[in-house]
Amino acid sequence: AQKITQTQPGMFVQEKEAVTLDCTYDTSDQSYGLFWYKQPSSGEMIFLIYQGSYDEQNATEGRYSLNFQKARKSANLVISASQLGDSAMYFCAMRFSNTGNQFYFGTGTSLTVIP
Amino acid sequence: KAGVTQTPRYLIKTRGQQVTLSCSPISGHRSVSWYQQTPGQGLQFLFEYFSETQRNKGNFPGRFSGRQFSNSRSEMNVSTLELGDSALYLCASSLWPGSSYEQYFGPGTRLTVT
Repeated sequence: AQKITQTQPGMFVQEKEAVTLDCTYDTSDQSYGLFWYKQPSSGEMIFLIYQGSYDEQNATEGRYSLNFQKARKSANLVISASQLGDSAMYFCAMRFSNTGNQFYFGTGTSLTVIP
Repeated sequence: KAGVTQTPRYLIKTRGQQVTLSCSPISGHRSVSWYQQTPGQGLQFLFEYFSETQRNKGNFPGRFSGRQFSNSRSEMNVSTLELGDSALYLCASSLWPGSSYEQYFGPGTRLTVT
C-alpha cells in the first residue's frame, strides 16, 4: 500500500526566511511522481513542483525546491525567502504509473509566515 | 487560458437528496479526476475519467458516480446524501493520464448536507 507522511501539522516561519516542509513516503514501486501542492484558504489546490522518481537532479521552480532523497524515501519542499502570501496548507502527493492519475495525498502542513 | 471551473461553488442539500456537481477542464485536457476533502479523512480520490471512460475508482460507495462527456466536461453525482458527504469536492484535469503529467485543480464545490 502507498503511504505518504507529513509529520508537521503546523509550521511557523519568519518573513524572508527559508522553511523546509517534510514529506516521507512508503512504496515498493520504482516508477512514481512526487508533487507538492499549496492550498490557500480559498480551497483551490495550486501546483508547485514535480519530481519524477528517475530524475537525478532535484527539481526547482522559482522559490521552491524539492530535496529528493530516494533511498530515504523523502521529498521535502524548501521554500526560500518566505512571503506573507505563502501562508497556506501544503500537501505532498504521489502518483504511480500503474494507477493512472490517482493522487495519494499526505495530511498536509499548515504554514504561517510571520511578518 | 481558462483554468478548471467547477459549478456550483457552494451547495446546501438535505439528507436523502441527490446532487450533481460539474467540472470543466482546461481546454485540451482530456483527463478529469475527482477528490473529496474532509477535515477527518483528508483528500481522497473518487474517480478518474479519460476519453469518456472511467479508468480508476477510489474506495467510495456506489452512491458516488460520475461521467465524462465528449467535450471532456465531467459530472459527479451523489445519491441519497448523508451528513458525512459534507465536504469540499475538487476536480482536477490533466492532458493525459500518467505520472509525469501535472494536474490542475479547480476551486472546488463546497457541499453541506443538513
